[in-house]
Amino acid sequence: GAGVSQTPSNKVTEKGKYVELRCDPISGHTALYWYRQSLGQGPEFLIYFQGTGAADDSGLPNDRFFAVRPEGSVSTLKIQRTERGDSAMYLCASSQTGTGDIQYFGAGTRLSVL
Amino acid sequence: GQNIDQPTEMTATEGAIVQINCTYQTSGFNGLFWYQQHAGEAPTFLSYNVLDGLEEKGRFSSFLSRSKGYSYLLLKELQMKDSASYLCAVPRGGQNFVFGPGTRLSVLP
Repeated sequence: GAGVSQTPSNKVTEKGKYVELRCDPISGHTALYWYRQSLGQGPEFLIYFQGTGAADDSGLPNDRFFAVRPEGSVSTLKIQRTERGDSAMYLCASSQTGTGDIQYFGAGTRLSVL
Repeated sequence: GQNIDQPTEMTATEGAIVQINCTYQTSGFNGLFWYQQHAGEAPTFLSYNVLDGLEEKGRFSSFLSRSKGYSYLLLKELQMKDSASYLCAVPRGGQNFVFGPGTRLSVLP
């Protein structure tokens, strides 16, 4: 079947604006993860969903960041009042059950805050 | 907490063998993953080790020593397309991954 799909692939916004990034995981995968990757660095964990609930949101940097997964499939990462420091690649991954499984990544959304 | 270390950059010649090391410190251990990431693309799964020893998969092999907190990825018969970043990752609590900084490998003709 299809892999993890992320839209948009690129997003340019102005400082202070609100953005939404979408992730469509592999069908049947119950676990979904959001990571943020800056140039030349490894991905950093943001939030993990098991089904519809956020099982671990300890990686969200502050309360401007929020994510939902209302039906246990598609997830949306929401960033309010964007700042230039939010510019990064936002990666989504899914895995079958979550416990030590292989994570399959989408191609990411490159966010640029001007 | 978890701490993972990898060399930042490596260079090797087409047809050669290269070893990319990863050291980790973790509270609890649930295996170690290696991913390949070409510039601007998604990380793709390469290997998973949970027991000590060498796992071979074609041109790529991965080794783990849990007592030493050490792993390496071995790439044989290097090809130009192997130029990429190689990420070492350890599951935290069996769930989200903690990634190392990645090793950027350049394969030269």
